[in-house]
Amino acid sequence: QVQLVQSGAEVKKPGSSVKVSCRASGGSFSSLAMSWVRQAPGQGLEWVGMIIPIFAPANYAQKFQGRVTITADEPTRTVYMELSSLRSEDTAVYFCARGGNYLPGPFDIWGQGTVVTVS
Amino acid sequence: EIVLTQSPDTLSLSPGESATLSCRASQSMSGTYLAWYQKKPGQAPRLLMSGASTRATGIPDRVSGSGSGTDFTLTISRLEPEDFAVYYCQQYSRSSYTFGQGTTLEIK
Repeated sequence: QVQLVQSGAEVKKPGSSVKVSCRASGGSFSSLAMSWVRQAPGQGLEWVGMIIPIFAPANYAQKFQGRVTITADEPTRTVYMELSSLRSEDTAVYFCARGGNYLPGPFDIWGQGTVVTVS
Repeated sequence: EIVLTQSPDTLSLSPGESATLSCRASQSMSGTYLAWYQKKPGQAPRLLMSGASTRATGIPDRVSGSGSGTDFTLTISRLEPEDFAVYYCQQYSRSSYTFGQGTTLEIK
């Protein structure tokens, strides 16, 4: 059974960058469709982007194009999300989630979430 | 890009009642690519339904999904205290996902 474990909370200054990691244990890694989703305080769920390591590069939501980079490292079974030019509105909980094999699918497994505070 | 609009924004019901949550797509889509999630504070979202009407593992049969085209529905019968949460619909394609804005199911 795949489990996703994310890195710890981050506090960043406006204008800086943050890189959050998500390590997958169990199952195949290279074919996983891994996404990042965020939830700002009091707001809904927002899809950021996804990667299928065997088919890299990543796809991104239009809102984040040019500011986000999602990568995967197969030897360590880890997916990364780097968000640059941070502003206060990027303060949110960031989740990684598994959505399918080889193709996008519903998010059946989630990481525990990483709190990113921009202040 | 398909936009999903959920209604109502908030639904106030009592335990034991039934809840009907709506998700409308801005254009016709296949139900194969429609999912529902439950979100509670401090927790990761939980997949309830995929393919519009297929319950995820461990989801009780008092939770059901239906719909096609542009209109999809999540129904929760015999509400229990743990059902009160925020619910999101989601659609996906080969290269992107979008969520509805969410419906809050609160205890009346």
